Amino acid sequence: GAVVSQHPSRVICKSGTSVKIECRSLDFQATTMFWYRQFPKQSLMLMATSNEGSKATYEQGVEKDKFLINHASLTLSTLTVASAHPEDSSFYICSAVREANQPQHFGDGTRLSIL
Amino acid sequence: SQQGEEDPQALSIQEGENATMNCSYKTSINNLQWYRQNSGRGLVHLILIRSNEREKHSGRLRVTLDTSKKSSSLLITASRAADTASYFCATETSGSRLTFGEGTQLTVNP
Repeated sequence: GAVVSQHPSRVICKSGTSVKIECRSLDFQATTMFWYRQFPKQSLMLMATSNEGSKATYEQGVEKDKFLINHASLTLSTLTVASAHPEDSSFYICSAVREANQPQHFGDGTRLSIL
Repeated sequence: SQQGEEDPQALSIQEGENATMNCSYKTSINNLQWYRQNSGRGLVHLILIRSNEREKHSGRLRVTLDTSKKSSSLLITASRAADTASYFCATETSGSRLTFGEGTQLTVNP
């Protein structure tokens, strides 16, 4: 089946550090990639929708200047958490999809811990 | 707010029993999808059912969709300990964008 690789799987860093998370679709070209945030024992919250070559569409309440998304190619999207603070600690998950009305394929997530 | 609401929030059963999880939603949808998440991992797609479909099967999984009631159910038959996970429904309305339900934590006891 389709594989999405997300890296790194875990990050522990000091407050004020910027952290970059990569999401790659390994065996298909993804028209759209998505970034989610998940708090413990809760559901996934969509942060932004990323289309190759265009600006990401952010959900209401998500700070564009804090969560920078770059979708440089049909197989790679990156999420940069700028100047991360402890409240940004969370589980971040990406997904990729070929086209509408098809399942999304998820990465394994990144556990971000800001000290 | 979440589009989907799932019940039960938690379900504990014995191996071999069937598990049923329900999902309700509020708006018109293109399709409804079920995903599974093991603790600390990403989501794995289980079944996608389109708005013009009523039932779908995949192995031990059976999904129903009732668009008049805006609800769906996931049935896992002959459950195994390895089925222990969180199960989420998600609705697609437009542009591949998914809205997830709150999830059901399933525990299958050996």
